[in-house]
Amino acid sequence: GNSVTQMEGPVTLSEEAFLTINCTYTATGYPSLFWYVQYPGEGLQLLLKATKADDKGSNKGFEATYRKETTSFHLEKGSVQVSDSAVYFCALSILGSGGGADGLTFGKGTHLIIQP
Amino acid sequence: NAGVTQTPKFQVLKTGQSMTLQCAQDMNHEYMSWYRQDPGMGLRLIHYSVGAGITDQGEVPNGYNVSRSTTEDFPLRLLSAAPSQTSVYFCASSYTRYATNEKLFFGSGTQLSVL
Repeated sequence: GNSVTQMEGPVTLSEEAFLTINCTYTATGYPSLFWYVQYPGEGLQLLLKATKADDKGSNKGFEATYRKETTSFHLEKGSVQVSDSAVYFCALSILGSGGGADGLTFGKGTHLIIQP
Repeated sequence: NAGVTQTPKFQVLKTGQSMTLQCAQDMNHEYMSWYRQDPGMGLRLIHYSVGAGITDQGEVPNGYNVSRSTTEDFPLRLLSAAPSQTSVYFCASSYTRYATNEKLFFGSGTQLSVL
């Protein structure tokens, strides 16, 4: 079946540090890949996505590149801020045999804490 | 500009009680779904719907019922609550049933405790 593996954390960094959150996946077929972010007390929001190999998704200074050869979609940011403190979820989606999306397959989430 | 609205935000139930978690979206989205979020487990799909009158089971459907009588609403029913259903529940929707590259819009969640 499909699965997503990511570091769970918590990951604690100082402000302006470089961030990498690793994400690897197992999937049948060619998935679309996503990073969602959950701020405290809120629902998830889409941060970025990539739909085919070598695509780079980017948003709010975050980037992730779809690497088919290593089945990875690592999230990076060059200089984190306190406001980036949140839980980050890597996810994949493949069209289900029933015609619907069958939902996304999420990783367990990485709790990121940025200290001033 | 409401997006996806979930009610209630918090709920405490006793074992065996029933209740309905409400979810409504005002974006004319075809696809709606319910997830539960548990520590160390990420999000797991409970049920989903690809349109009015059409529902299907996700990864963890036992103990939950859903219906989709309108495009806007997708309530989740707990028939006889159990402590194992203590969790945070999220409703999510997307424009198309083919959500492979469509983003999901999430509600702000319902925190449910079953004693």
